[in-house]
Amino acid sequence: DTEVTQTPKHLVMGMTNKKSLKCEQHMGHRAMYWYKQKAKKPPELMFVYSYEKLSINESVPSRFSPECPNSSLLNLHLHALQPEDSALYLCASSPNILAGVDTQYFGPGTRLTVL
Amino acid sequence: TQLLEQSPQFLSIQEGENLTVYCNSSSVFSSLQWYRQEPGEGPVLLVTVVTGGEVKKLKRLTFQFGDARKDSSLHITAAQPGDTGLYLCAGGPVNDYKLSFGAGTTVTVRA
Repeated sequence: DTEVTQTPKHLVMGMTNKKSLKCEQHMGHRAMYWYKQKAKKPPELMFVYSYEKLSINESVPSRFSPECPNSSLLNLHLHALQPEDSALYLCASSPNILAGVDTQYFGPGTRLTVL
Repeated sequence: TQLLEQSPQFLSIQEGENLTVYCNSSSVFSSLQWYRQEPGEGPVLLVTVVTGGEVKKLKRLTFQFGDARKDSSLHITAAQPGDTGLYLCAGGPVNDYKLSFGAGTTVTVRA
């Protein structure tokens, strides 16, 4: 089973709202990722977790706050977002953190619209 | 500067025709992945190639990894409308955490 699940599928929020995106994998992978993707562009890396610890933050604004409650779950907390943050948010996982060695598996994404 | 140069950017062909997408770099990659993505969905892994010169086949799709592990190609034989989508190549440079993506190729197969 190479499935990564994400909820919700779609999310519409106002600029003053607080919401969370959720991601889950049961492949025993130790690395989990958040990406942001704009239409017809490749995904852009936001955060990397390795063994439940935040390893990489790609200079993401603090209105995005990641959390890894356990080895299977990854959350992305959203607060005071801007309309330009509207995008497809993708979660991915891989056995370990070395991109050159370990294939990343992506979830179906959450389509976020900020009004 | 994009680490992986993917071409062409757009490809529109008739059902039954063949197509090839290229992914090139000046860097050596430990492995390269090809993903296919439909609008509003996440990228779906098609293949991972790891050995220089490797050729992998997945039904009508053929993937090749260059001998020097700097380039890869995806060839689709007798394309069908179901092959329509955004094709992304992605690679992990040696000893790097970050997956580099090509800009993507939007393939449209007309019935």
